[in-house]
Amino acid sequence: QTVVTQEPSFSVSPGGTVTLTCGLSSGSVSSSNYPSWYQQTPGQAPRTLIYSTNTRSSGVPDRFSGSILGNKAALTITGAQADDESDYYCVLYIGSGFWVFGGGTKLTVL
Amino acid sequence: QVQLQESGPGLVKPSETLSLTCTVSGGSVSSGSYYWSWIRQPPGKGLEWIGYIFYSGSTNYNPSLKSRVTFSVDTSKNQFSLKLSSVTAADTAVYYCARVIMTSNLHYDPWGQGTLVTVSS
Repeated sequence: QTVVTQEPSFSVSPGGTVTLTCGLSSGSVSSSNYPSWYQQTPGQAPRTLIYSTNTRSSGVPDRFSGSILGNKAALTITGAQADDESDYYCVLYIGSGFWVFGGGTKLTVL
Repeated sequence: QVQLQESGPGLVKPSETLSLTCTVSGGSVSSGSYYWSWIRQPPGKGLEWIGYIFYSGSTNYNPSLKSRVTFSVDTSKNQFSLKLSSVTAADTAVYYCARVIMTSNLHYDPWGQGTLVTVSS
């Protein structure tokens, strides 16, 4: 069974930079996994941030960026703001029409 | 713009079947560029992919749920639906519907607001 791994929690200072990662239990993440990232605040539906590794969704500030770092997908927030405090989820396409979500990262800005 | 809205009972008894519908507005469920998906989130936990359906009726389900899940699509009502049988308390979750963009930029957008389904007697 394929597992997608994310850091359970992360902390960043206001104005700081943080990189969240998204890995695969079965190997390396590549662009062929079409990594996408979603932001979720309590009681709200997820909001699309990044898709196809590094494409920002409409209206997403450019302080959010996506990449492949080593063998993982990565979401970098540059110049973190208080309202970036959220849960962040990645999802990977693992082939044959199947997708797996990561467990999510709870980001604290303080 | 496209909007999705989930609807259905908020309370289901154990061993019964959970049924939800997602109504699509501002777009057509019959579009060949999109699949239509269900995702759930147990309280305080992460997101779980349930599967997706194409307007033709072709489906793909999470293997862990495949034996209990059935999707359907009603193009005349611009809706798609989820049925999950033999539910237990572990199926208590917020259920989201979402559009799957199946071009070279695979991703989920937009999402419905979600609906909480509680399994309890």
